[in-house]
Amino acid sequence: EAGVVQSPRYKIIEKKQPVAFWCNPISGHNTLYWYLQNLGQGPELLIRYENEEAVDDSQLPKDRFSAERLKGVDSTLKIQPAELGDSAVYLCASSPRTGGQQYFGPGTRLTVT
Amino acid sequence: DQQVKQNSPSLSVQEGRISILNCDYTNSMFDYFLWYKKYPAEGPTFLISISSIKDKNEDGRFTVFLNKSAKHLSLHIVPSQPGDSAVYFCAASAGGSNYKLTFGKGTLLTVNP
Repeated sequence: EAGVVQSPRYKIIEKKQPVAFWCNPISGHNTLYWYLQNLGQGPELLIRYENEEAVDDSQLPKDRFSAERLKGVDSTLKIQPAELGDSAVYLCASSPRTGGQQYFGPGTRLTVT
Repeated sequence: DQQVKQNSPSLSVQEGRISILNCDYTNSMFDYFLWYKKYPAEGPTFLISISSIKDKNEDGRFTVFLNKSAKHLSLHIVPSQPGDSAVYFCAASAGGSNYKLTFGKGTLLTVNP
């Protein structure tokens, strides 16, 4: 069974530029999560999707961050414009259902210069 | 305010010995606890969990102990192997499911041959 796929794995951009991250969850997993992991910290939930619906986006900074999961499968997380403090690893996870075990992708390491 | 605390950033043990990783929490609403293991450049992978109705859960070499009165849990690895060297994250959730996880900062375990 293929795991959660994320791309790109690494991204370096200048501040004020836009950036997007892509996630393909495990086939059949209805629930998709985006997490932010700062250096030396644990992952922090940004947004959770049930199929195509964002059911918890309370931790997503909506002034610059946006996410979508149009067909209830793949998801994209966007930052526009990026700031220096956005440098972190962005993790995507999926689970078969809400409350099920979460399977994490390898993450995208973003560096904003 | 960190609700899940892993006060030891790192731990070093000899192969074959016991590794004990500790975790404290402050939110009395947490009732489900998990341990994740993370290798460099990979996403966290689920290791073991425990519900607040139990005080111990065992899976092979891994055992998690929960002390609700002290708001403390620990992960025991016996015997430790070099392949166990990784960052271990403690996570907690409320409401009996693991969909909204609060992670600690992690402990880097090094098992020396």
